[in-house]
Parts: sequence; structure tokens; C-alpha cells
Amino acid sequence: DIVMTQSPDSLAVSLGERATINCKSSQSVLYRSINKNYLAWYQQKPGQPPKLLIYWASTRESGVPDRFSGSGSGTNFTLTISSLQAEDVAVYYCHQYYSSPDTFGQGTKLEIK
Amino acid sequence: VQLLESGGGLVQPGGSLRLSCVASRFRMSSYAMSWVRQAPGKGLEWVSTISDSGNSAYYRDSVKGRFTISRDNSENTVFQQMNSLRIDDTAVYYCVQARGSGELFDAFDMWGQGTLVAVSS
Repeated sequence: DIVMTQSPDSLAVSLGERATINCKSSQSVLYRSINKNYLAWYQQKPGQPPKLLIYWASTRESGVPDRFSGSGSGTNFTLTISSLQAEDVAVYYCHQYYSSPDTFGQGTKLEIK
Repeated sequence: VQLLESGGGLVQPGGSLRLSCVASRFRMSSYAMSWVRQAPGKGLEWVSTISDSGNSAYYRDSVKGRFTISRDNSENTVFQQMNSLRIDDTAVYYCVQARGSGELFDAFDMWGQGTLVAVSS
């Protein structure tokens, strides 16, 4: 199984500041023949199901604010929130769908400083 | 457009439950469907996936032989039969849809609200 490791486990950022969450996979999730990374990011607020933010490592889902961006390739990925808003307080998960079983990172809890 | 799960509840170890997930206002027949669970206070864990046609199914090792995912595209519904339930199966079970039509390996772009399965004596 591909192990997904996020860092940090928790993060406190001031409103308007940048938040960066990292995700490392135990093996590459890049499908070289089509040059796509099988990596997604989700946001989960308390009492709600997760919401897809980013897929193919860097493609923003429709309706997601452009302050959210994804980057990286192979085994190292980053979710960046360029200017933190109060409504961004949540737990964020990365997810690899390159091979079965799908696996998720342990989650990163983002709070306001 | 939404997914609505049902069938969760409290069951004793060794018992069975059947979860259902109905899609409203879209045809799920073109999409692979999955179940993802989340134990109380814990992270997300993929459980099972069924292809759009229903011809292929995949399971995490810990549920193989105990859980069965199926679908009825005419009823726009996906099921998960869960037998020999264990305490560590306790979780909220989410029904989720793959983002791309016909894609088996894809991000999950639609999630139900979840149904709680509690296994306890």
C-alpha cells in the first residue's frame, strides 16, 4: 500500500497569511505516460463530509476559491492557501488514487492564530 | 445533486448491516462508486469501490470476505452488505462518487452526509 504522510499534523496561521500543508507518498503517484499525478486534496469542516478542493495534484475543483492551490509531482506535494480566511478552518487530507487501495494522509488541522 | 446514505445503526459484534446510497438528480450509472469510512475522531479510510457497470469490485484487505459492494443502476443505488462486523468497523460510512465518468481510479468529487455504523456489545 502507498503510505501518505502529511506535515504538519496541525497548523495555526494568522488571518490573511499563507498556509502550507505538505504531503509525501511512499512511492510515486505520477502516471508518466499521461503525465498526471493521481493526488487529490480535501477539506473537512466539523460535522461535514469532506469536500474536494484539488485533483491531479494541481487542478482546482469548480467553485473552489483561487486562494487554494496545489503543487508537486512524484512523491512530494503541497497545498497552499495564499491568504487564510476564517472559513478555511478545517482538517485537510491528501489522497492518492494511483493504485488500490486508495490511501489518505492522516490529516492536518488548520486553525487561526 | 446529492447522495443519500441509509442503513447504519447499532449492531453487536458478528452482526450484519446493509448500507444503501441513492443518487438524486443525476444518473450514477456512468460513475464508479465507493465507500469511505471515518472512525470517531479519526481520519479517512477507503473501504470499497465498484465500477460503473458493476463488473469489478475492490476492497481493503481488512473487509475482504466480509463486505460486498453492489449496485443497481436502474434504481440509481449502490449498496454495501457488511457481515461479521467487528468493533473496529465502527465509523461513519460515506458514499462517494468518482469525479470522472467511467474512471475507476479518480478523485472523489461527491460525498454523501454519511451514515453511522456502531459495533458494540
